[in-house]
Amino acid sequence: GDSVTQMEGPVTLSEEAFLTINCTYTATGYPSLFWYVQYPGEGLQLLLKATKADDKGSNKGFEATYRKETTSFHLEKGSVQVSDSAVYFCALISTGNQFYFGTGTSLTVIP
Amino acid sequence: ETGVTQTPRHLVMGMTNKKSLKCEQHLGHNAMYWYKQSAKKPLELMFVYNFKEQTENNSVPSRFSPECPNSSHLFLHLHTLQPEDSALYLCASSQPPAGGRGDTEAFFGQGTRLTVV
Repeated sequence: GDSVTQMEGPVTLSEEAFLTINCTYTATGYPSLFWYVQYPGEGLQLLLKATKADDKGSNKGFEATYRKETTSFHLEKGSVQVSDSAVYFCALISTGNQFYFGTGTSLTVIP
Repeated sequence: ETGVTQTPRHLVMGMTNKKSLKCEQHLGHNAMYWYKQSAKKPLELMFVYNFKEQTENNSVPSRFSPECPNSSHLFLHLHTLQPEDSALYLCASSQPPAGGRGDTEAFFGQGTRLTVV
């Protein structure tokens, strides 16, 4: 079945450090891929998405590229801020219109 | 504000109580979902409704009973819960793309923090 695997957390970084959160997926067909972010006490919010191979999603300085050959969608940011502290979820939507989420990676950015 | 509203935000209930969680969206979406988020566990899909029809029941115990009276509202009825059911319950909606795949995304509510005592 379809699934998403993302790196275990928690991740702690200093402000202005480079961030990578790995995500790989298993799917039949050609899913759309997403990164969602959850701030404390909130629901999940869409951060970025990509709908086909080689697409790059970007938002708020975050980027992720849909790599079909490696079935990956790694999240990156060149310089994190304290306000980026949150839990990040990788997700895909299957051809059956069902969303599959990874386990979430908690990020803490310290000043 | 994502356009998906959940009430209540917090709920404390005893194991013998009956309560309901409510989710409302006016985004014109035809798919709605219930997820359970527990500490240190993956997000668990509980139920999916497409065009008011339940299309997924992910082995959820019968003490959780969903109801989707129309495409804008989704309820989760709770009765005789256990302490391990304490979690954040998230509702989401999406618009199924024409043809089965395409540009869509899930919009989430802020969740109901449920504590069973």
